Amino acid sequence: SYELTQPPSVSVSPGQTASITCSGDKLGDKYVCWYQQRPGQSPVLIIYQDHNRPSGIPERFSASNSGNTATLTISGTQTVDEAAYYCQAWDSTAALVFFGGGTQVTVL
Amino acid sequence: QVQLQESGPGLVKSSETLSLTCSVSGGSVSSGDSYWSWIRQPPGKGLEWIGYVYFSGSTNYNPSLRSRVSMSVDTSKNQFSLKLYSVTAADTAVYYCAREMRRGSNVNWLDPWGQGTLVTVSS
Repeated sequence: SYELTQPPSVSVSPGQTASITCSGDKLGDKYVCWYQQRPGQSPVLIIYQDHNRPSGIPERFSASNSGNTATLTISGTQTVDEAAYYCQAWDSTAALVFFGGGTQVTVL
Repeated sequence: QVQLQESGPGLVKSSETLSLTCSVSGGSVSSGDSYWSWIRQPPGKGLEWIGYVYFSGSTNYNPSLRSRVSMSVDTSKNQFSLKLYSVTAADTAVYYCAREMRRGSNVNWLDPWGQGTLVTVSS
């Protein structure tokens, strides 16, 4: 099994920058995705292959991955960004998917 | 674009079998670059990957659930299915289906996701 660790919660003021970390053993050797889950909704892919944004995802979402830590950054955070964020990695050898425990972002 | 929709009973009795189906529209389950996945989320908790089925019928499951899980695909109906045997209250969760995309040998992502369906296991 492979563990991904995220902080349970992050608070940020509107317009400020939020950073969410995801830690795992040699995580930088894998590709990481990030999902946003607003209350009562399904998860939505916001970052794939470490730092790529799917079409329609705002530019204020960016990400990086190096060493043992991947980081999702929300610049100019808006109230609509209040949600849970999950990182995901893949063990390509065993074809197993792993999720982090999720980070609740509160904008206040 | 591809859309997914889960369907199945919302209430299952303890020790029985949970059965869900995911209908795919706007795309084909026979697409060679797609792996059809199930993920669940207990109330108030995080995401847990259950496994995937490929259009050929090949599967791979989370080791923690492997002994109780079965997935299949029906290309004629453009659907894929999940069965979870011998359920307990711990299996109560929102169950999502999703498409897993892969690129090369080490890149994957899950997109899109279905809206999810709550399955409650009762005693």
